[in-house]
This record gives sequence, C-alpha cells and structure tokens, in this order.
Amino acid sequence: DTEVTQTPKHLVMGMTNKKSLKCEQHMGHRAMYWYKQKAKKPPELMFVYSYEKLSINESVPSRFSPECPNSSLLNLHLHALQPEDSALYLCASSQDRAELFFGEGSRLTVL
Amino acid sequence: AQTVTQSQPEMSVQEAETVTLSCTYDTSESDYYLFWYKQPPSRQMILVIRQEAYKQQNATENRFSVNFQKAAKSFSLKISDSQLGDAAMYFCAYSSPYSGGGADGLTFGKGTHLIIQP
Repeated sequence: DTEVTQTPKHLVMGMTNKKSLKCEQHMGHRAMYWYKQKAKKPPELMFVYSYEKLSINESVPSRFSPECPNSSLLNLHLHALQPEDSALYLCASSQDRAELFFGEGSRLTVL
Repeated sequence: AQTVTQSQPEMSVQEAETVTLSCTYDTSESDYYLFWYKQPPSRQMILVIRQEAYKQQNATENRFSVNFQKAAKSFSLKISDSQLGDAAMYFCAYSSPYSGGGADGLTFGKGTHLIIQP
C-alpha cells in the first residue's frame, strides 16, 4: 500500500478539456511535488509546495496549474493540453528535504 | 548546479548473480543525500537505498548495498542474488539539504534498465 495516493490512475482527455489530477499524502509531510515523466526518461520536476510556499519550474507551461487546498493535498489542474503533454505524472512527498515518497502515478493521454 | 550521471543505459544479469550499477555525480556541496530508486513496469518509484554524505559507512538494505566514494563522487549500487522481481529502471538521485524547503526536489540520473535473465 502506498502512502501517497494519486487519482485517477489513467486519464484520457481532449485538447479542449479541463481535468484535474489529485494527490494526497498520509504521512504528515511538509513538502509535496509534481513530476512529469516521459517513457524511459527520468522524472522532471514541475512544482513544489513546501512549508506553505509554492515553487514553479519556469519551463512548465501555464496550462498546468497546481492547487494546494491543505498540507496533505496537492492537485494539478489541466487545461487546453497538447498531445506532447501525454506522460506519467508522479506526485511525491517528503519530510526534512531528504528522500521523496512517490505515488503510483497518473497516466495521462491527450488526444 | 548538481548533476548525476548514469553511464549504463541497460544492464543484463543472470538470475542469482550479482550486478553493479554505476552512478557518478558532481556537486560543490559537502553535505547531501544520495538515493537509488527502482521503477518497475508498474511505474511507482520505490526507494531502494539512501546514503548521507557525512556517513562514511556504506548503506545496505538486504541484498542491496552501495559503494560510496565521496572523493571520487561515485555512488554505485550492488544487487546480490538477483531475482526476477529486480527487473526495473534504476535511477540514481541527489538531494541537497540547502535547497530552501525542498524547492529543488531530486536531481535524477538518466536511469539504467536492468534485465534479469532466468
């Protein structure tokens, strides 16, 4: 059982859709992350929410927007995505800025 | 900025044998963390082993051990008695304790695809 829960596990959306990926961690960690991962590549950092501060990778397009309703939730809102945004989206959490604990990922396909 | 290099895109080993995955890194910091993560086809990233740079003793977790050479900036992973369930992508990763609230996340290498031959 994972202590970082991501939903949905699979998502197919059109380029005009608005959808959200949800992430919840049950470990009381103070930092949460969203990563994008293409096949056979390492994860790329998109967003960090740590100690109530949001940090954004400047290369991430504005069609991705994070939302942190509370310290255990970090959602990723998706709007007007492109086919190249199709990827595995990984959520993670950490405490004391050491190792990250990852969820099972959300596989996104943009048609 | 820190970099992590994994020079072996793919490795193959016979079941029950030992395999070593290589990782080198570059940093100007004296204190940091190093990790090996495993990502099977099921896709979840699983922490295999962790090493704090200030600890000279190499970390071990059951069949997994590391050879940490701080001066050489090398951090290799040894898997003993390889099992079919070890087949996965393995990522070496670096974390800085000075990244201001974790804002940098982890710096990953490109990964090594490990194949276990039955």
